[in-house]
Amino acid sequence: DSGVTQTPKHLITATGQRVTLRCSPRSGDLSVYWYQQSLDQGLQFLIQYYNGEERAKGNILERFSAQQFPDLHSELNLSSLELGDSALYFCASSVAPQAGNPLYFGPGTRLTVT
Amino acid sequence: TQLLEQSPQFLSIQEGENLTVYCNSSSVFSSLQWYRQEPGEGPVLLVTVVTGGEVKKLKRLTFQFGDARKDSSLHITAAQTGDTGLYLCAGPRRLGYKLSFGAGTTVTVRA
Repeated sequence: DSGVTQTPKHLITATGQRVTLRCSPRSGDLSVYWYQQSLDQGLQFLIQYYNGEERAKGNILERFSAQQFPDLHSELNLSSLELGDSALYFCASSVAPQAGNPLYFGPGTRLTVT
Repeated sequence: TQLLEQSPQFLSIQEGENLTVYCNSSSVFSSLQWYRQEPGEGPVLLVTVVTGGEVKKLKRLTFQFGDARKDSSLHITAAQTGDTGLYLCAGPRRLGYKLSFGAGTTVTVRA
């Protein structure tokens, strides 16, 4: 158990819909990352927050947004969903924001868009 | 194009055999991390290598960081079925915040 929690575990929704994925980091970790994993793209970095502020952006679509709240939990919002958005979405956390710090991953949310 | 190229993509071996997986790049990395991911779970950090030429051992797993800090390898001795999983290498692009992952090597150890 990494100490990172993600909800829900599974999500099935239809095209055009909007969903929210939730993540609670390990106790003491201030940095939260979101990754998307699909069979053809591998593990793709979406976005990073540190202590409530956005730190780095990766291949995140404009239809996707995220935020980190004062209690450090984070939410990833996916809207106008398309079939190609079906993937595993992982949240990870680390103590400090610099790349190279160990990442602790949650169990993931499997999103299926039908 | 992946910043970190991993090979082979798939590897299937019998229990007790040895295996090596590789992580290569044309870029220099300040450090490299190795993760293992089991089906339905998130990646778990195995090791971080920092110094060129560094060798780290974790029981039957040996990790090496190339002298030029552009490549790394993971060698498993006497593989066990519990070693089955997706092995991912990852490194920071620059001194900054983004960590790039390779596409991974799927290892299957048959009983």
